[in-house]
Amino acid sequence: NAGVTQTPKFQVLKTGQSMTLQCAQDMNHEYMSWYRQDPGMGLRLIHYSVGAGITDQGEVPNGYNVSRSTTEDFPLRLLSAAPSQTSVYFCASRTRTGGETQYFGPGTRLLVL
Amino acid sequence: KQEVTQIPAALSVPEGENLVLNCSFTDSAIYNLQWFRQDPGKGLTSLLLIQSSQREQTSGRLNASLDKSSGRSTLYIAASQPGDSATYLCAVRRDTNAGKSTFGDGTTLTVKP
Repeated sequence: NAGVTQTPKFQVLKTGQSMTLQCAQDMNHEYMSWYRQDPGMGLRLIHYSVGAGITDQGEVPNGYNVSRSTTEDFPLRLLSAAPSQTSVYFCASRTRTGGETQYFGPGTRLLVL
Repeated sequence: KQEVTQIPAALSVPEGENLVLNCSFTDSAIYNLQWFRQDPGKGLTSLLLIQSSQREQTSGRLNASLDKSSGRSTLYIAASQPGDSATYLCAVRRDTNAGKSTFGDGTTLTVKP
């Protein structure tokens, strides 16, 4: 049981480039989400999904796209990277109902030059 | 809009001391509250989850309490050890099936040998 996995661990992009951050979980969790963590601003929700085929915006969705074609995977796409997207990105998952805890991946550190 | 505040932002204590970390939130309509630990450069690890109907949860040297009506939670760490040094975050989840979590900025704890 690997839990929540994220790739890559670290990435450097140039302004305007696009990329996809991968997230996968093997716990059959319906709910998955993406956060970014910036100094002094805590964790902020980017997008979330309550199940395959269903996604919704969080607090800071601009510049990011998501899709959820399977229960296991929830990739985050940066369409045209900007320096303001330099951050640490965390993927998390939990069951949709009940009191289950939220599990986090190890994070992807992104630097946009 | 839910706001979560953690005080103090940083705390330094000698080994063996008992300590309390505080978390306050503005909207009492919560589903649960979760305490996490984050080591430098790592993801978040769940410590304790308290349902809105519960008053406290315990795990080893950790005890978390919840007073929903006053919008406060505390994390009590007994007999602190250098290995407890980390950032501790609390997260409040809204009371819906698609409930989003709002995070505090965390308290960075240093336990000196």
